[in-house]
Amino acid sequence: AQKVTQAQTEISVVEKEDVTLDCVYETRDTTYYLFWYKQPPSGELVFLIRRNSFDEQNEISGRYSWNFQKSTSSFNFTITASQVVDSAVYFCALSERYSGNTPLVFGKGTRLSVIA
Amino acid sequence: GAGVSQSPSNKVTEKGKDVELRCDPISGHTALYWYRQSLGQGLEFLIYFQGNSAPDKSGLPSDRFSAERTGGSVSTLTIQRTQQEDSAVYLCASSLVSGQGNQPQHFGDGTRLSIL
Repeated sequence: AQKVTQAQTEISVVEKEDVTLDCVYETRDTTYYLFWYKQPPSGELVFLIRRNSFDEQNEISGRYSWNFQKSTSSFNFTITASQVVDSAVYFCALSERYSGNTPLVFGKGTRLSVIA
Repeated sequence: GAGVSQSPSNKVTEKGKDVELRCDPISGHTALYWYRQSLGQGLEFLIYFQGNSAPDKSGLPSDRFSAERTGGSVSTLTIQRTQQEDSAVYLCASSLVSGQGNQPQHFGDGTRLSIL
């Protein structure tokens, strides 16, 4: 069975601090995709990144970076020099199967509050 | 706009009534998903449509829930004889389908359903 665990329910940081959001997943498949989504107070889920199980290279996009480690089944998300606009709930998600589409299995989310 | 459109934004109804929620996906997206987001349960998959294939209904919580997708575009989620535990935000997402794996799902703003 698939499962995504985001152990951090809430995190609060001061602006300009770095923060890492943890994500641990379980799957019996050898091919799968991992995702991160952001849900700001407005409510819409915003897609941030997709990573397939064959690509363990870290990825950086501006202040965002992702660390994928198959050995520990983790896909952690780091925000560098956090800003108030980063305040949101962040969801990690998993989908199995390499071709075609399947529904996402989401973690419970981590609520990040960045304080000015 | 070009995004996923859901209506109504908010719906308040009495217990026992039927409700219909509408989703208009991004043009050209052949995959359409319904999820439910409620306190304590996180984001749960409900149903998935892809092209002309039979929908994946494995996430529907009871036979009071049903969904249709007409003409491969607009979808309607129907909840019959609503119960208070149906109160949640119902999210619709759509995505492209390709042979290169799970494409990112793009979400609408959701319908906030409140059962009195």
